[in-house]
Amino acid sequence: SQQGEEDPQALSIQEGENATMNCSYKTSINNLQWYRQNSGRGLVHLILIRSNEREKHSGRLRVTLDTSKKSSSLLITASRAADTASYFCASDSNYQLIWGAGTKLIIKP
Amino acid sequence: KAGVTQTPRYLIKTRGQQVTLSCSPISGHRSVSWYQQTPGQGLQFLFEYFSETQRNKGNFPGRFSGRQFSNSRSEMNVSTLELGDSALYLCASSWGILAGVNEQFFGPGTRLTVL
Repeated sequence: SQQGEEDPQALSIQEGENATMNCSYKTSINNLQWYRQNSGRGLVHLILIRSNEREKHSGRLRVTLDTSKKSSSLLITASRAADTASYFCASDSNYQLIWGAGTKLIIKP
Repeated sequence: KAGVTQTPRYLIKTRGQQVTLSCSPISGHRSVSWYQQTPGQGLQFLFEYFSETQRNKGNFPGRFSGRQFSNSRSEMNVSTLELGDSALYLCASSWGILAGVNEQFFGPGTRLTVL
C-alpha cells in the first residue's frame, strides 16, 4: 500500500482541549496537505504546507513539517464539537496525493 | 460560487457491468482528480486531468479510465466491475497551475455498490 501513516488512529478529548495528530510519509514531497472529512461537509481542505516551510498557522490550526524525519503534525487548539471528524494528511509525491489512513477525532461536550 | 458536483450520488451495479461517473468542477478550475475511498485501502489517487489531458495516473488497472471535456467536466468509467470496486468515488477540482498538487476541492462523492 502507498498509504502514509497517521497516529493516533483515534483520539477522544474534552471540548476546549487541544488535539495533536501526527503523520509520516515515505518519499520526498512538494507539499503536504491536511484535510477533514465528516458526514455533513464531506472532505474539506484545511491547510497546505510546502516542503521549504517548517510551520504554518490558520486560525486554530497549526501545522509543522519536518522533512528530515518525513513527518508532519496538526494541532487544533481550543477544540469545539464541530471539530469532530476524521483528519487526513496527504503528501504530494510526484504530483499525486498519497493519503494517510486518518485520525478519527471525537470532541466530547 | 457553486461547488464540485458529482452524479449520480448512489449507484448499484452487478459484477461484470460497467459504470460511468460524472463530475462538474468549480467554475474556472481546469484540473480534475479522481480518488477511490474504501475502508480497507483508504483514499487512493486514480488519475488527474488538466485541460483535457491525463496528467497523472495512480496505480489502478486499465479497467479504470477517465476523460475530461473542453468545459473541464470529467467522467470516470469502470468496466467489468468487480466486487472490490465497491467504494466511494470522489472527484476534486483545483486551479492546477501551481507547482505540485494544488488545494483540492472535493465533491460529495458517488457511492458505488457492486453486487
